[in-house]
Amino acid sequence: QPKLVESGGGLVEPGGSLRLSCAASGFPFSEHYMSWFRQAPGKGLEWVSYISASGNTIYYADSVKGRFTISRDNAKKSLFLQMHSLRADDSAVYYCAKYDYGSFFDWGQGTLVTVSS
Amino acid sequence: QSVLTQPPSVSAAPGQRVSISCSGSRSNIGDNHVSWYQHLPGTAPKLLIYDNNQRPSGIPDRFSGSKSGTSATLAITGLQTGDEADYYCGTWDTGLSVLYVFGGGTKVTVL
Repeated sequence: QPKLVESGGGLVEPGGSLRLSCAASGFPFSEHYMSWFRQAPGKGLEWVSYISASGNTIYYADSVKGRFTISRDNAKKSLFLQMHSLRADDSAVYYCAKYDYGSFFDWGQGTLVTVSS
Repeated sequence: QSVLTQPPSVSAAPGQRVSISCSGSRSNIGDNHVSWYQHLPGTAPKLLIYDNNQRPSGIPDRFSGSKSGTSATLAITGLQTGDEADYYCGTWDTGLSVLYVFGGGTKVTVL
C-alpha cells in the first residue's frame, strides 16, 4: 500500500525559510507525478505545486510562485518543498500526494508550518 | 474566493441522501475531469471520486459523482454519522496557466 510521510514543518519567523520532505514507500515513486497541498487554519484545501515523474515539468500556484521550489530525488523516493520568504499566510498543514489518472489518490498525514514572530 | 463554487454546508438525517454541487467554468470543469475528496481537518484527505464518476477501490457505492457541462455533483446515499466531514471538488484549470483548483468545501452534517 502506498505510504507518504511528510516532515520538516515547524515554527519559522516571517521572511524565513523551511524545507519540507515527503518520504514515499509502497509504490514505484519514480513513475508517479506528485504534488504538495496545504490547508491554512479555518480555510479549505489549496494546491501548492506539482512535479512530473522525471522532474522536468513543474507547476506552481500563483501564491507561492517565485518563493517555493518543488523537487524530488527518485533514488531516495523523496519529494521536497523548499520554501523561502515565508509569510504569515503560508501557515498551514502541508500535505504531499501521489497523482494517478488525473487525480490525487494517496495523501500523507501532513506537517504543520507556522510562520510567526 | 475559490475558483470552484460549492455550498458551505448541507445536512440530512441518517439514511437520507445529500448532494453537493460544484460549479466552475469551461477552463476547469468544462475541459477536465472532476475529483471529490473527503477531509477531516488534521487527517489525510481521502479521494472519493475521480474521472467525474469513478470510485477508487474501497469506496462504497453510496458515494457517486456526475458531471454536466461546467458543473459537477457528489451524491451520498444512506447517510451515516461517519460521513460527517468536509467535501471538496477539485480539477485542473487549463486556462492561461496550469493550476489545480478546489471548491471552497462543503461541510456535511448528519442530523
